[in-house]
Amino acid sequence: EAQVTQNPRYLITVTGKKLTVTCSQNMNHEYMSWYRQDPGLGLRQIYYSMNVEVTDKGDVPEGYKVSRKEKRNFPLILESPSPNQTSLYFCASSPTGGDGEKLFFGSGTQLSVL
Amino acid sequence: DAKTTQPTSMDCAEGRAANLPCNHSTISGNEYVYWYRQIHSQGPQYIIHGLKNNETNEMASLIITEDRKSSTLILPHATLRDTAVYYCIVRSDRTNAGKSTFGDGTTLTVKP
Repeated sequence: EAQVTQNPRYLITVTGKKLTVTCSQNMNHEYMSWYRQDPGLGLRQIYYSMNVEVTDKGDVPEGYKVSRKEKRNFPLILESPSPNQTSLYFCASSPTGGDGEKLFFGSGTQLSVL
Repeated sequence: DAKTTQPTSMDCAEGRAANLPCNHSTISGNEYVYWYRQIHSQGPQYIIHGLKNNETNEMASLIITEDRKSSTLILPHATLRDTAVYYCIVRSDRTNAGKSTFGDGTTLTVKP
């Protein structure tokens, strides 16, 4: 089944403790992206990747890192999480990121930073 | 990406058509209009997209005005399961390669 898989689904951590949220897709998509969703603010793009070893900042990249060493994986790294990064996170992918393509979303990761 | 404006919330009676408007007055010529929906806190689900012409698929119809400054998503026979937040976004790979931002969306409530 074609899908985008995020792990974990729920994560509670403490301020400053490094964490990684994994994202994997099995559709051989070149384009992958991370979003965060906060009440009343819709989805905001954090980082995106047009292909392996190519990443770029979205609208809210501060406090996050990403890497794209393989086509299928696009982990989101929080080196020193803070409470304002408590949010619902979504990973998404599409074939090339080009015009007319739909995004496939993962099920989300609810992160709480205490 | 062009900014979009949607009503915060709408209600619709079950079995009736739901018409969700979106304004995108600053859309440029090569930007597509996309619609997604999100049920509870699940990942957003693609519904439909278009450039200039009206589009229809098994889920919905998309009506784009001739000047492309606004569009309407139509769910022809709304069911209770269509209750969700609906997002309208506009983007083009050529002008905003890779970047895409969702607004606040419209919360559609389908009532029995």
